[in-house]
Amino acid sequence: QKEVEQNSGPLSVPEGAIASLNCTYSDRGSQSFFWYRQYSGKSPELIMSIYSNGDKEDGRFTAQLNKASQYVSLLIRDSQPSDSATYLCAVRRVQAGTALIFGKGTTLSVSS
Amino acid sequence: SQTIHQWPATLVQPVGSPLSLECTVEGTSNPNLYWYRQAAGRGLQLLFYSVGIGQISSEVPQNLSASRPQDRQFILSSKKLLLSDSGFYLCAWSPGGPTYEQYFGPGTRLTVT
Repeated sequence: QKEVEQNSGPLSVPEGAIASLNCTYSDRGSQSFFWYRQYSGKSPELIMSIYSNGDKEDGRFTAQLNKASQYVSLLIRDSQPSDSATYLCAVRRVQAGTALIFGKGTTLSVSS
Repeated sequence: SQTIHQWPATLVQPVGSPLSLECTVEGTSNPNLYWYRQAAGRGLQLLFYSVGIGQISSEVPQNLSASRPQDRQFILSSKKLLLSDSGFYLCAWSPGGPTYEQYFGPGTRLTVT
């Protein structure tokens, strides 16, 4: 079982719709969870972090964490073509010290 | 504010040649530093991380090495490049606990021919 799994996509949504990106992780000891956005040819950019169960909202982005079910999700409301990118889920396991484990990413395409 | 630099931005090297990639961070002290590689169509692979000067942890045994000669400088090296070393090399920094958020540099795209 992969440590951090994401559907590779592509996930296609029309402009203005809600995009829902999901991520599951295998280690119940995981403590910190992150979402990164990566445009083609560019480096990843941190967009959300979440540490406790529930929802965390930041502008059009909402991160959701459910430790019992071992999944974390990212909702993007009012999706824009500029949101088209690959979204990487990252998890910190206590046993791994400060290192993060990344999923392979989900490609999102927002059509105008 | 903190800034992370990487150079060179792109590099084309022949098989068997040496490699040196440099990463520096400004605006913070005693950061945790990381080297990742992202091969075409693949995820981010952690190569090395460092929690202090001279302290290097290797995640994947291979022909690469890392050094941290100064608090905010992290260097990735190889004595002889392989074709499989091609990829996008990313340096990242983190302030450490309690949040462990990591911030990436612009990256170096390496092509080994």
